[in-house]
Amino acid sequence: QVQLQESGPGLVKPSETLSLTCTVSGYSISSGYFWGWIRQPPGKGLEWIGTIYHSGTSYYNPSLKSRVTMTLDTSKNHFSLNLNSVTAADTAVYYCARGGSVGVPAAMDWFDPWGQGTLVTVSS
Amino acid sequence: QSVLTQPPSASGTPGQRVTISCSGSSSNIGSNTVNWYQQLPGTAPKVLIYSDDQRPSGVPDRFSGSKSGTSASLAISGLQSEDEADYYCAAWDDRVNGWVFGGGTKLTIL
Repeated sequence: QVQLQESGPGLVKPSETLSLTCTVSGYSISSGYFWGWIRQPPGKGLEWIGTIYHSGTSYYNPSLKSRVTMTLDTSKNHFSLNLNSVTAADTAVYYCARGGSVGVPAAMDWFDPWGQGTLVTVSS
Repeated sequence: QSVLTQPPSASGTPGQRVTISCSGSSSNIGSNTVNWYQQLPGTAPKVLIYSDDQRPSGVPDRFSGSKSGTSASLAISGLQSEDEADYYCAAWDDRVNGWVFGGGTKLTIL
């Protein structure tokens, strides 16, 4: 059974880079699903950050695109998120997730399963 | 301001049926499939309905999804106390070239 676990610093200073890793167990990230990040500010709704396929193709939220980089590390079976120039508005619980199906267009896909999430606070 | 519009709250008594709406546009719901996620208090979201009306294994048939034009709905029949959660709709948006979510609906069981 596939499981995802986020890890990284819980506190990041303003203007610095937020770096998170999602370690996947029970499935190889080099196979056909996509891998993504979604965040949720405290008390607010969900916001898609970005998605990356094993081919290297990636999609980023236009509102974050200039600050986001996602990478896959198949040797460690994990994928990562870097978000630079952070501000307090980037404080959120960050979730990693896998795509729900193989071989369907992104427009027909969904997120399943999700990691448990990790809270990242941006503060000096 | 979310791209997909949901009512912020809904409520019902045990055994009742409740419906949560999700309104979008031609670039998202109108041309792509809709997914619904349930987020129980203090936990990560999980998929409840995918591809407009499909239930993953393990999701009770009390939950159903439908779509018409640029709107979608999640119906929950036979409400139970454990259904108290936040519910989010989501769809791919061709203008954003990515996923957009509704603002979420908090379901309270009275």
